[in-house]
Amino acid sequence: DGGITQSPKYLFRKEGQNVTLSCEQNLNHDAMYWYRQDPGQGLRLIYYSQIVNDFQKGDIAEGYSVSREKKESFPLTVTSAQKNPTAFYLCASSIGMGASGNTIYFGEGSWLTVV
Amino acid sequence: EDQVTQSPEALRLQEGESSSLNCSYTVSGLRGLFWYRQDPGKGPEFLFTLYSAGEEKEKERLKATLTKKESFLHITAPKPEDSATYLCAPLTTDSWGKLQFGAGTQVVVTP
Repeated sequence: DGGITQSPKYLFRKEGQNVTLSCEQNLNHDAMYWYRQDPGQGLRLIYYSQIVNDFQKGDIAEGYSVSREKKESFPLTVTSAQKNPTAFYLCASSIGMGASGNTIYFGEGSWLTVV
Repeated sequence: EDQVTQSPEALRLQEGESSSLNCSYTVSGLRGLFWYRQDPGKGPEFLFTLYSAGEEKEKERLKATLTKKESFLHITAPKPEDSATYLCAPLTTDSWGKLQFGAGTQVVVTP
């Protein structure tokens, strides 16, 4: 089955730690995204990538980093610089980012909690 | 600045009681609008894309419509399994693929 796999589903971070959330897709999509969701709020874009080895900051990139070394993988690192990281993180992908093929499909999400 | 507003924030329906959700937006370069359904603790599930004013799309008990400034999601004779949060996101030429989502409408359908 084609889809987007995020892991782990639940993650706990201690103060001062960096943690990495994994995102793998087998849809052969060029574009990938990371969104953050806080209770009662809409999704906010952290980073996006249109193609391998290229990525751009979204609206709330501070305290986060990404890499795109392979088409199917787009891991997100939440660094210690992110002061309020507790949230639900969603990885997504689309065929492209233009006038066609722009429907975004989401993974099942990862919960990150600071302890 | 682009804005996306969904109303109501929450909606409680009896099974079979039809209703509508609203997504209004102030954006430039509108090229379409997406509707998603999200269950608690899960990622959003794609429902519809609407590309032009006057367009309608249906899926089971859901029907989405689009105007230049707003979209409606009509739920006809809902069932408890329609309980979810419904999210909308306009697609614009300024932000291909970088969707700005509304905060969602949480729908609860009771038997």
